Amino acid sequence: KAGVTQTPRYLIKTRGQQVTLSCSPISGHRSVSWYQQTPGQGLQFLFEYFSETQRNKGNFPGRFSGRQFSNSRSEMNVSTLELGDSALYLCASRQGQGQPQHFGDGTRLSIL
Amino acid sequence: AQTVTQSQPEMSVQEAETVTLSCTYDTSESDYYLFWYKQPPSRQMILVIRQEAYKQQNATENRFSVNFQKAAKSFSLKISDSQLGDAAMYFCAYRRGRNAGGTSYGKLTFGQGTILTVHP
Repeated sequence: KAGVTQTPRYLIKTRGQQVTLSCSPISGHRSVSWYQQTPGQGLQFLFEYFSETQRNKGNFPGRFSGRQFSNSRSEMNVSTLELGDSALYLCASRQGQGQPQHFGDGTRLSIL
Repeated sequence: AQTVTQSQPEMSVQEAETVTLSCTYDTSESDYYLFWYKQPPSRQMILVIRQEAYKQQNATENRFSVNFQKAAKSFSLKISDSQLGDAAMYFCAYRRGRNAGGTSYGKLTFGQGTILTVHP
């Protein structure tokens, strides 16, 4: 079974631009969550989607948004990029309530 | 809010030896899960082991085992017969269970991580 797939692996943007990251979960997994990883703040939860509905959201500004499609694939969008948005963005999927999250390789976003 | 603390920023071990990574957490809930994830330089977060709070028995996965002390809110990871491939950043993580109520049961709360170096 293929793992969680995130695209692209690397992205370079400039301040003020917007960006969309993509995540394809493991087949059969309906829950997708997103995390931001930085050296200073560590791993922080962004949001979780289940059956196209946002179930939970972390403490991030409204510039961070996401959505999930009927095939469980998810996208995350960040608008008006700031230097502090430079991070590794990780996506994880899980099969059910008691199951662990499985992570993708992440997208490394650099803001110039 | 739940918090997870890893008090060891770095640890090192000789190949074939045993090392224990510490993790403590704070929660008022009784239904939750605990995880250890490993993140090598390749950056993919890999699940090492998980523990369900209602299970008394400590989880074991091959060379990896945990010491789960629920009353003390402690969840340490023991790596036996350490191998060079075990070198990575290790994260302890907490996730509330569905029976804890609310909708945040999918959220993982991570500790700060412990960098493990394995010496040949």
